Amino acid sequence: DVKVTQSSRYLVKRTGEKVFLECVQDMDHENMFWYRQDPGLGLRLIYFSYDVKMKEKGDIPEGYSVSREKKERFSLILESASTNQTSMYLCASSSTGTRTDEQFFGPGTRLTVL
Amino acid sequence: QQQVKQSPQSLIVQKGGISIINCAYENTAFDYFPWYQQFPGKGPALLIAIRPDVSEKKEGRFTISFNKSAKQFSLHIMDSQPGDSATYFCAASTSWGKLQFGAGTQVVVTP
Repeated sequence: DVKVTQSSRYLVKRTGEKVFLECVQDMDHENMFWYRQDPGLGLRLIYFSYDVKMKEKGDIPEGYSVSREKKERFSLILESASTNQTSMYLCASSSTGTRTDEQFFGPGTRLTVL
Repeated sequence: QQQVKQSPQSLIVQKGGISIINCAYENTAFDYFPWYQQFPGKGPALLIAIRPDVSEKKEGRFTISFNKSAKQFSLHIMDSQPGDSATYFCAASTSWGKLQFGAGTQVVVTP
């Protein structure tokens, strides 16, 4: 059974803190993604990676960075958390070269920044 | 500015009824249109998808209708069941995996 896991289900941080969100997939997928989900806005792409050590900006990269040192792991970093980064964060992965382009999502991390 | 506009925001349907969710897009380069289903506390999961070379795709009680000239596509859930209560997202992409999602529709199926 394919699996994407995220390090925390719930996280509470203070403004200005550095925050790390971890994502691990066990499907040997080349592509990994970070989204944030907000009511009325759907899922918005923050960053994605199509290979180890490669990264591309998504639609809303400001205030975030990412790291992909190993194929199975993709980390999202909030350098200095702000209250407007309170959101649900979803990680996903997919395989290159498949017709379906299906993305497999983790359960999400609900981050609250106080 | 969302590239895929989804409506309605929420929907209540009786058991056995039909749920219809609509999406519209502007970018004619989109060539892949999936629908994702999300239950509370879970990540979204692919439900059904279509490419523009067909106008309809059916999988069980779920059907996508696609109108290329109108740049619209819709999800129909036939014989809706309480277990179908979830949030549904339409999406579109021009190349591998970089999806543009709609805002989502919360569907509630009453017994």
